[in-house]
Amino acid sequence: DAMVIQNPRYQVTQFGKPVTLSCSQTLNHNVMYWYQQKSSQAPKLLFHYYDKDFNNEADTPDNFQSRRPNTSFCFLDIRSPGLGDAAMYLCATSRSGVGDTQYFGPGTRLTVL
Amino acid sequence: LAKTTQPISMDSYEGQEVNITCSHNNIATNDYITWYQQFPSQGPRFIIQGYKTKVTNEVASLFIPADRKSSTLSLPRVSLSDTAVYYCLVGDGQNFVFGPGTRLSVLP
Repeated sequence: DAMVIQNPRYQVTQFGKPVTLSCSQTLNHNVMYWYQQKSSQAPKLLFHYYDKDFNNEADTPDNFQSRRPNTSFCFLDIRSPGLGDAAMYLCATSRSGVGDTQYFGPGTRLTVL
Repeated sequence: LAKTTQPISMDSYEGQEVNITCSHNNIATNDYITWYQQFPSQGPRFIIQGYKTKVTNEVASLFIPADRKSSTLSLPRVSLSDTAVYYCLVGDGQNFVFGPGTRLSVLP
């Protein structure tokens, strides 16, 4: 089945140690999103790619970076994780255009020790 | 961006109809209203989407009044497996905001 895949599902890192989360999709969608979701909160958009065009949310910390080497893959890099970065990280895709629904992956739960 | 509000939580019993309302007073002309369901440790899952009036699919209905300043998700005859958090999302494909979410608990 076409889907959005996130690896790993659980990631443990140490304070300040860089970590990369990955997302892949078989939907051939133009848009890919990265969200951060903390406990009992709504997903918070970090950034998204419209094809190769990168769109960063104004309040996304510089500590978070992203790469999209091709249509299928997108990566979230956290350069120096802090304790406050422990969260669920969700990847989503949409076809493109106004009103398109988003298809979410299962998420990666990041623990920072 | 449209600011959205939702009730924090709701309780219901199996077999009842549940209506969850989302307020979005400053919705823009190009904005759609989309509802998602999220279970613990999973990504949100699309339920239904609308622009105006009423939309119905196999799992839910969405009612949007003419002024579009609110929307109501209607779940007919809920079961225990409908216990989840429900989010409304208002926006177009590029600019959007999730509501705070409504935690629905379905009791036997």
